[in-house]
Amino acid sequence: DSGVTQTPKHLITATGQRVTLRCSPRSGDLSVYWYQQSLDQGLQFLIQYYNGEERAKGNILERFSAQQFPDLHSELNLSSLELGDSALYFCASSVEQGGVYGYTFGSGTRLTVV
Amino acid sequence: GIQVEQSPPDLILQEGANSTLRCNFSDSVNNLQWFHQNPWGQLINLFYIPSGTKQNGRLSATTVATERYSLLYISSSQTTDSGVYFCAVAVSGSQGNLIFGKGTKLSVKP
Repeated sequence: DSGVTQTPKHLITATGQRVTLRCSPRSGDLSVYWYQQSLDQGLQFLIQYYNGEERAKGNILERFSAQQFPDLHSELNLSSLELGDSALYFCASSVEQGGVYGYTFGSGTRLTVV
Repeated sequence: GIQVEQSPPDLILQEGANSTLRCNFSDSVNNLQWFHQNPWGQLINLFYIPSGTKQNGRLSATTVATERYSLLYISSSQTTDSGVYFCAVAVSGSQGNLIFGKGTKLSVKP
């Protein structure tokens, strides 16, 4: 157990639907990062929060949004889902903003859009 | 943006063999990490190594920042070492967002 908890582990949903992925960071970590892993794009950074504030955006679609709550857990919302959104979504956390002391990844949420 | 290239893309070893995985990056970095993704998809942090050499059991890593490459050594490989090894970097001035290479897929045969 890495200490980063992601739920659900698996999710199957239909095109056009909306889903919410949840992440609880490791205790004491203030930064949360979301990554998407797909067969064609590999592992890509989506978005980062630090202590409740958005700090960086990567290749995140406008249909996707995220937030970090006062208790530091984070949610990634995916809407108007398309077949191409099927992927493994990872959350990672680090103790400080820059991740320079290393990341800890959760076990991921496998999203299948049918 | 920064490019991260890993080689070889695929590697098949017999149990007990040694191997070296390479990661080249195209710009200065302040963060370099090696990860192992096991067959169940879990990403495990192996090393945080923006420069220098570290060892952890049968694994060791060396990063030569001035020449923009890092090496991951696996000695006496075991079947449990199978999976994909990723190198990931973050550039100076970023918020620590990691740019991942495409990985090296390692298969260790008994």
